[in-house]
Amino acid sequence: NAGVTQTPKFRVLKTGQSMTLLCAQDMNHEYMYWYRQDPGMGLRLIHYSVGEGTTAKGEVPDGYNVSRLKKQNFLLGLESAAPSQTSVYFCASLGRGNQPQHFGDGTRLSIL
Amino acid sequence: GENVEQHPSTLSVQEGDSAVIKCTYSDSASNYFPWYKQELGKRPQLIIDIRSNVGEKKDQRIAVTLNKTAKHFSLHITETQPEDSAVYFCAASPADSSYKLIFGSGTRLLVRP
Repeated sequence: NAGVTQTPKFRVLKTGQSMTLLCAQDMNHEYMYWYRQDPGMGLRLIHYSVGEGTTAKGEVPDGYNVSRLKKQNFLLGLESAAPSQTSVYFCASLGRGNQPQHFGDGTRLSIL
Repeated sequence: GENVEQHPSTLSVQEGDSAVIKCTYSDSASNYFPWYKQELGKRPQLIIDIRSNVGEKKDQRIAVTLNKTAKHFSLHITETQPEDSAVYFCAASPADSSYKLIFGSGTRLLVRP
């Protein structure tokens, strides 16, 4: 039981490049989330999903897209990376009616 | 929507002293309040949580208190140890979307040996 697994752990991109961050959970959780963490700003919700095939916008969705084609996976895409998207990205999952959220180890993304 | 404010942003205490971190929330209907600890370079991990039907909860050296009338909750750490040094986040779960968490901005706690 690995919990929540994020890949990759680190990535450096050039402005304008695209990439996809993968989050996988093996707890059969209904809900999944993508957050970004910036110094002094806590964790801000980018997008979330309440179930397979559904996604919704969080607090800071601009510049990101997501997909949840399989219940266990939640993908975060950057179509055209910008330096403002340099951050640490955390994925989390939650079972139905069963707080708390469980976090992955994070992906440190730098955009030059 | 829900808004969570957390204070102080940094806190330095002597080993053995107590530490208190405070959070306020805006949505009076919020009903779940977790606290997460994040060590440097690691994932946030739940250390304690409280629901709105309870005023206080303790787990060894850690306690959380909730004042629903004033819409604030606090984390209390007694007999602090160097390994308590980390960033602590509070969060609140809005009643109309209980699967979400709105996080405070974090408190960096330093315990001086």
